[in-house]
Amino acid sequence: AQSVAQPEDQVNVAEGNPLTVKCTYSVSGNPYLFWYVQYPNRGLQFLLKYITGDNLVKGSYGFEAEFNKSQTSFHLKKPSALVSDSALYFCAVRSSGGYQKVTFGTGTKLQVIP
Amino acid sequence: NAGVMQNPRHLVRRRGQEARLRCSPMKGHSHVYWYRQLPEEGLKFMVYLQKENIIDESGMPKERFSAEFPKEGPSILRIQQVVRGDSAAYFCASSPEDYYEQYFGPGTRLTVT
Repeated sequence: AQSVAQPEDQVNVAEGNPLTVKCTYSVSGNPYLFWYVQYPNRGLQFLLKYITGDNLVKGSYGFEAEFNKSQTSFHLKKPSALVSDSALYFCAVRSSGGYQKVTFGTGTKLQVIP
Repeated sequence: NAGVMQNPRHLVRRRGQEARLRCSPMKGHSHVYWYRQLPEEGLKFMVYLQKENIIDESGMPKERFSAEFPKEGPSILRIQQVVRGDSAAYFCASSPEDYYEQYFGPGTRLTVT
């Protein structure tokens, strides 16, 4: 069975500082990995994905994530945090090859402090 | 291109009533997914549908819950005889054929009193 772990319920970072939101996964075969962001009372918005290729993936709003196969991790990063980045972030995984449902992590609340 | 639309945004039902949640996928999307989100929990997969077909309903409770995606019209998630434990946010997502990421609607917040 596939799973996703987001070990931090909340991450606090000062505005202008770099941010990292952690994600580790477990899946059979090769993973497809995703990050989504959710603002209060809204649906999830897609940020970026890793399917294959370069381990460093760039996405929307200046976010990027690094796929590390040996550590089974896919941490979300941004060089300089904005107050408007404050939201709930979800990591998700599915296995490659045919239909596989997506498994979401429990989410990490990012609080950017002015 | 309008996004995924869900209605109603908020729904209040008394115990024992039926709840019908609607989802219109993005134009050109033929795959629809339903998820449930409870406070302090992530999204839990419920069902995956393509037009007129249920592909994966492994996350659906065996009783009271059903879903459809007819040839014409929106996808419907139906909850019969609602109980307080059904109170949650229900999200619909869609994707085109052979696509990886999903696009989410704003959700329907169901409250059972």
